[in-house]
Amino acid sequence: DAGVTQSPTHLIKTRGQQVTLRCSPKSGHDTVSWYQQALGQGPQFIFQYYEEEERQRGNFPDRFSGHQFPNYSSELNVNALLLGDSALYLCASSLGAGGRYEQYFGPGTRLTVT
Amino acid sequence: EDQVTQSPEALRLQEGESSSLNCSYTVSGLRGLFWYRQDPGKGPEFLFTLYSAGEEKEKERLKATLTKKESFLHITAPKPEDSATYLCAVQAVIQGAQKLVFGQGTRLTINP
Repeated sequence: DAGVTQSPTHLIKTRGQQVTLRCSPKSGHDTVSWYQQALGQGPQFIFQYYEEEERQRGNFPDRFSGHQFPNYSSELNVNALLLGDSALYLCASSLGAGGRYEQYFGPGTRLTVT
Repeated sequence: EDQVTQSPEALRLQEGESSSLNCSYTVSGLRGLFWYRQDPGKGPEFLFTLYSAGEEKEKERLKATLTKKESFLHITAPKPEDSATYLCAVQAVIQGAQKLVFGQGTRLTINP
């Protein structure tokens, strides 16, 4: 049973550039959530996708956008990168957008902005 | 606003020395409280979900408990391989969508 996968593993970008991160959910899951984790901090919720729509958004600017595809995989796009966007970006999948259930995390993408 | 606070921030124990990690929370209508383990540079690994006060869950040397205001993760006779950051999160459901609100984590080090 494949777990949550993310690509790429590491990424180095220059300030002002744009980046796209990818996530494939755990088999059987239909909901994808994205989190940003700065060094030494807990993950911060960015947004959640269910049925190809953004269902809920955390306190992140519009530079952060996403997409969910019919096969439930998802992309996170960040435009006009800032140094402060350097972090571990985590994707989590779950079944359904509400109710009681666990979110399973992928290994993350380490983004470094120089 | 939903908030989760974990203490201590860091904890060093000797192998075999039992202790507890604390997670206190304020959330409007708790749907679930989650414990995760995170190794350096990796994604969080799911450990437990607790749904109601008084509930307890166990897994090997770990036991999680829940009250109306806080949760404890008890570690009994820990081994060096238990060294990791332990994250607590509460489940909030807003307009039908779920999100997890995380604490900052407790960095646990077990010395042999």
